[in-house]
Amino acid sequence: ETGVTQTPRHLVMGMTNKKSLKCEQHLGHNAMYWYKQSAKKPLELMFVYSLEERVENNSVPSRFSPECPNSSHLFLHLHTLQPEDSALYLCASSQDWRGGPVTQYFGPGTRLLVL
Amino acid sequence: AQKVTQAQTEISVVEKEDVTLDCVYETRDTTYYLFWYKQPPSGELVFLIRRNSFDEQNEISGRYSWNFQKSTSSFNFTITASQVVDSAVYFCALSEAQGGSEKLVFGKGTKLTVNP
Repeated sequence: ETGVTQTPRHLVMGMTNKKSLKCEQHLGHNAMYWYKQSAKKPLELMFVYSLEERVENNSVPSRFSPECPNSSHLFLHLHTLQPEDSALYLCASSQDWRGGPVTQYFGPGTRLLVL
Repeated sequence: AQKVTQAQTEISVVEKEDVTLDCVYETRDTTYYLFWYKQPPSGELVFLIRRNSFDEQNEISGRYSWNFQKSTSSFNFTITASQVVDSAVYFCALSEAQGGSEKLVFGKGTKLTVNP
């Protein structure tokens, strides 16, 4: 299943680095999401975009900066991260919920390690 | 506030055993949706099922079946004749049908290990 792809799959970065995570969906959806999955914690919703407009930002630190240039692509720009930001970052997509109930489809995730 | 509880952190069974994963939810909404996702070691969350709050019929899909009981706010998942490939973390989730945006609230997951 390659409906939602994420690159890179693994990333190691220092606290002073700047990197970007990329997500691409091939399902014709118009809403995209970033989630963070840390060990022993439930999935945390970070950002939601619908029709390329950010509609949700769950008090995420400014060192995480999302970008959604079009309905098929979503980026998460990272800078000056902390070791506690090490986690699996999952991207998901769905149809816009204003048309009715939706199902979110997830990518394989980027496993991030901050040293 | 919405909440999803998966009380079983880890379950270990032997192949061909049946196993049930529990999910209990809390919501004040009358219209809501419940989901199960599977996360194999590769990391991707694989969608398994979505049920709406008005449909309490149990569902069967191959070896998978789901039991939705509104009276007990539960949405349990049973795997019949488990296989090694079923080993994964399984997440139950709840979403609101209306609101400013679509929000999925996930449980903490149940790690299932099926041993040969």
